[in-house]
Formats: sequence, structure tokens, C-alpha cells
Amino acid sequence: DIVMTQSPDSLAVPLGERATINCKSSQSVLYSSNNKNYLAWYQQKPGQPPKVLFYWASTRESGVPDRFSGSGSGTDFTLTISSLQAEDVAVYYCQQYYSTPRRTFGQGTKVEIK
Amino acid sequence: EVHLVESGGGLVQPGGSLRLSCAASGFTFSTYSMNWVRQAPGKGLEWLSYISPSSSTIYYADSAKGRFTISRDDAKNSLHLQMNSLRAEDTAVYYCARDRIRGVDFDYWGQGTLVTVSS
Repeated sequence: DIVMTQSPDSLAVPLGERATINCKSSQSVLYSSNNKNYLAWYQQKPGQPPKVLFYWASTRESGVPDRFSGSGSGTDFTLTISSLQAEDVAVYYCQQYYSTPRRTFGQGTKVEIK
Repeated sequence: EVHLVESGGGLVQPGGSLRLSCAASGFTFSTYSMNWVRQAPGKGLEWLSYISPSSSTIYYADSAKGRFTISRDDAKNSLHLQMNSLRAEDTAVYYCARDRIRGVDFDYWGQGTLVTVSS
């Protein structure tokens, strides 16, 4: 199984500041035949189901604010919130689908306001 | 608008069984792959099972293999998860989730149904 490891487990960022979440996979999730990274990012607010933010590592889902960005390739990925807003308080998960349909998630990163 | 609504959760004793359902609307259900994902209280997300269109391909996580059975009824736009031999560690919110494209990310999720396994 591909193991996804996120860091940090939690972070507290002042409003308006940058938040950065890292995700590392135990093996590359870059599919060489199409040069796509098989990685998604989800946001889960308390009491709600997860919501996809990015797929193919950096393709933003419709409606996701542009203060969110996804980057990285191979085994190392980053989700960045350029200017943290109160409504961004949530747990964020990365997910690989390289080994689809057996997909695995990172353990989650909790983002709070400092 | 896409809607996924889970039902069937509840309190069950260890060793018992439960059948979860997911009612889908707002899209052509028969053409999409579907999944079950669960989340234990205060914990992360765990993919459990996948079913392709026409039920031609089915996969399970090791934690579900041999105890859980995924199925779909395209005529009724519904997805099911039959869970047998339930254990305390199966206590979780169970979500159904749609594949954006077969085997890619999950673009729509239901609100979840809580399963509690306890005596």
C-alpha cells in the first residue's frame, strides 16, 4: 500500500497569513505515461463530509478560492493557503489514487486560527 | 444537482450485521463508479470499497474483505454496503462517495451515516 504522510499534524496561523501543509507518499504517484500526479486534496469542516479542493495535484475544483493552491510532483506535495480566512478552519487530507481503486489518505492536518 | 444520501446506520452489537444504503440523484448513476469511505470518531478517512459501473469490478480494503459486501442497484439509483461480523473498531461515520472519473478522486460525498458497534 502507498502510505501518505502529512506534516504537520496541526498548525495555527494568524488570520491573513500563509498556511502550508505537506504531504509525502511512500512511492511516486506520478504516472509516467500521462505525466500526471495521482493526488487529491480535501477539506473537511467539523460535522461535514470532505470536499475536494484539488485533483491531479494542482487542478483546482470549481468554486475553490484562489487563495488555495496545490503543488508538487512525484512523492512530495504541498497545499498552500496564501491568506488564511476564518472559514478555512478545517482538517485537510491528501489522497493518492495512483493505486486506484485502492486509494489511501494522509492522516490529516488540522488548521486553526492563531 | 448531485445528491448522495446515506441511510441504515445505527447501534448494533458486536458480531451483528447492518446494511447501509446510499440514494443517488442528480446524475446518471449507472455510469459512475462509487465507493464507501469511513471515518472513526476523531480519526482520519479510510477508503473501504469500490464498485464500477455494471458492478463489473469490485475492490475492498483489507479491513472490509470477507465481512463487507458492496453492491449497487442501477434501476433504483442506489448503492449498498452489507456489513457482517461487526466489531467495535467498525464504529465510524460511513460515507458514500462518487468517482469523478473512474478511479480518480471523489468529487461528491454524502453526509454520512453513523454506525456504532457496542454491547
